[in-house]
Amino acid sequence: DIQMTQPPSTLSASVGDRVTITCRASQNINRYLAWYQQKPGKAPKLLISKASSLESGVPSRFGGSGSGTEFTLTITSLQPDDSATYYCQQYNSYPWTFGQGTKVEIK
Amino acid sequence: QITLKESGPTLVKPTQTLTLTCTFSGFSLSTSEVAVSWIRQTPGKALEWLALIHWDDRERYSPSLQNRLTITKDTSKNQVVLIMTNMDPVDTATYYCAHRISYYGLDLWGQGTTVTVSS
Repeated sequence: DIQMTQPPSTLSASVGDRVTITCRASQNINRYLAWYQQKPGKAPKLLISKASSLESGVPSRFGGSGSGTEFTLTITSLQPDDSATYYCQQYNSYPWTFGQGTKVEIK
Repeated sequence: QITLKESGPTLVKPTQTLTLTCTFSGFSLSTSEVAVSWIRQTPGKALEWLALIHWDDRERYSPSLQNRLTITKDTSKNQVVLIMTNMDPVDTATYYCAHRISYYGLDLWGQGTTVTVSS
């Protein structure tokens, strides 16, 4: 199985900060990487597919980049509503696997 | 508007078989490139992909659970069913179904259903 690693598990930042979340794959996944946002008690919400393709309706402050084994999710100006846990997921090969999540807290 | 909703028992006993149903609307699982997947989330919040069924009936399973899982679809009822045998307390989780178009992530999820395995 492809292992997905997301350091750190928790990240604290202030409103307006630029936030970068990293996701590393244990082997090449090309650009078949998705990012999800999950708030307490809710299902994950797809933000980005194919490493950088923003889903319709997702604010433009969210952006994704990377290919191969290194990927990043960037929030260009953190907003209070962005407090959530963010997960990456590879779908290059089965079984699909998720990172352990990065919790973003607002200072 | 696409919606999905999971249903099934909230409590099962160890060794029992779990049957979960995903009832959806707003799309057809006979449309090319469409798929429905099952994912679970443990109390510790880890997400685990379980299974997927494509519009053309191709099935995919997590290798670690493959011998316990069966995924089926009923296109006429707009439902996808996941069967998991020999349930164990470690299978306690929230189970989600989700819609997918090929080459993209899981773009729409159900609200999830929490299953507890306990005697």
